[in-house]
Amino acid sequence: GAGVSQSPRYKVTKRGQDVALRCDPISGHVSLYWYRQALGQGPEFLTYFNYEAQQDKSGLPNDRFSAERPEGSISTLTIQRTEQRDSAMYRCASSLLAGGSLYEQYFGPGTRLTVT
Amino acid sequence: SQQGEEDPQALSIQEGENATMNCSYKTSINNLQWYRQNSGRGLVHLILIRSNEREKHSGRLRVTLDTSKKSSSLLITASRAADTASYFCATDNDMRFGAGTRLTVKP
Repeated sequence: GAGVSQSPRYKVTKRGQDVALRCDPISGHVSLYWYRQALGQGPEFLTYFNYEAQQDKSGLPNDRFSAERPEGSISTLTIQRTEQRDSAMYRCASSLLAGGSLYEQYFGPGTRLTVT
Repeated sequence: SQQGEEDPQALSIQEGENATMNCSYKTSINNLQWYRQNSGRGLVHLILIRSNEREKHSGRLRVTLDTSKKSSSLLITASRAADTASYFCATDNDMRFGAGTRLTVKP
């Protein structure tokens, strides 16, 4: 595709439900990043992958959050037992080379998650 | 904590003026990148400067890098109302962003 795509664009869920957010990076991009962004704040790093390997998950807030990229392309960020504080914009980005080094990240439009 | 931290947090100028925002980081880097985010939209990459570069230009943007001070600055010359956005820096070894500088350019 032309850019990074994310789905769904909007997700409203009830507290306690699980949600899965999808990211489809630019074809051929090695690295994929997940961020969370609260209104008026900068993106908060969650985790990133090189190919299918999760390189750094230190930004995941707790064990309810997990991410995978099983075939080194599409990635899914899963939030189990959602809480209201999980409400935010979740953004995905990809970059051509591993770790983002020397190359810029391309960001997707984000998924707006609202937990009621 | 994040690697790149921007200041000021907010900057308001008149159209035609120059805008300067700064970024500080903590550890050694290979490159530093600046991004722009219009309200509610995704981030757009503006410019990348490598650790062996001191200054880089792209159109009305000028970025400097001082590795001895672990700081970078982004200068937007002859600002326009369309430059109104939040600006973020990030380093290659820690893709964490600060809170950004919120730039408002008044027409």
